Amino acid sequence: DVVLTQTPPTLSATIGQSVSISCRSSQSLLDSDGDTYLNWLLQRPGQSPQLLIYSVSNLESGVPNRFSGSGSETDFTLKISGVEAEDLGVYYCMQATHAPLTFGSGTKLEIK
Amino acid sequence: QVQLKESGPGLVQPSETLSLTCTVSGFSLTSYGVNWVRQPPGKGLEWMGTIWNDGSTDYNSALKSRLSISRDTSKSQVFLKMNSLQTEDTAIYLCADSGGGYWGQGVMVTVSS
Repeated sequence: DVVLTQTPPTLSATIGQSVSISCRSSQSLLDSDGDTYLNWLLQRPGQSPQLLIYSVSNLESGVPNRFSGSGSETDFTLKISGVEAEDLGVYYCMQATHAPLTFGSGTKLEIK
Repeated sequence: QVQLKESGPGLVQPSETLSLTCTVSGFSLTSYGVNWVRQPPGKGLEWMGTIWNDGSTDYNSALKSRLSISRDTSKSQVFLKMNSLQTEDTAIYLCADSGGGYWGQGVMVTVSS
């Protein structure tokens, strides 16, 4: 199975600060169809995960554009440009290129 | 729009069988697969298994001996059955579409006598 190594495990940010989360894969996530199925999810306290970014860099509808994703092959980054209070929660990267689905271990974002 | 909703009992006795239903709308089960994922309290996400659009299934090797996933396409429902439950199976159980983009709200299952 694909292992996703996510860092850091926790982030503490002030409102307005920009932060980044890294996700590294044990193998390339480039699919034979040319797409890279690396998503970013946010799980707010008491809620189920919600999709923020799909296929590395595509912003899900309704997600603020302060969120952005980048990367390729095995190295990926989620950036929040100007953290807001509503961004607190746990961020997960996940891949759907290789069965089965696998997830990073999560990054907990706290607001100072 | 795409929606998934889990249903099932919140409390299961140790050694008993868990039965959950995921009801989907906005897409056809014959076109897209559905995953079951669970999350123990305070922990991360664990993939349990997938039923694909052709009805075939894949299971987490650690759960394979206890787990069964099936579906009723006419009702747009996917079923999870897992036997021999233990306290460590206490978790939120979630269903998601095959790409992990759409998630249900989850159902908390507690294994306790």
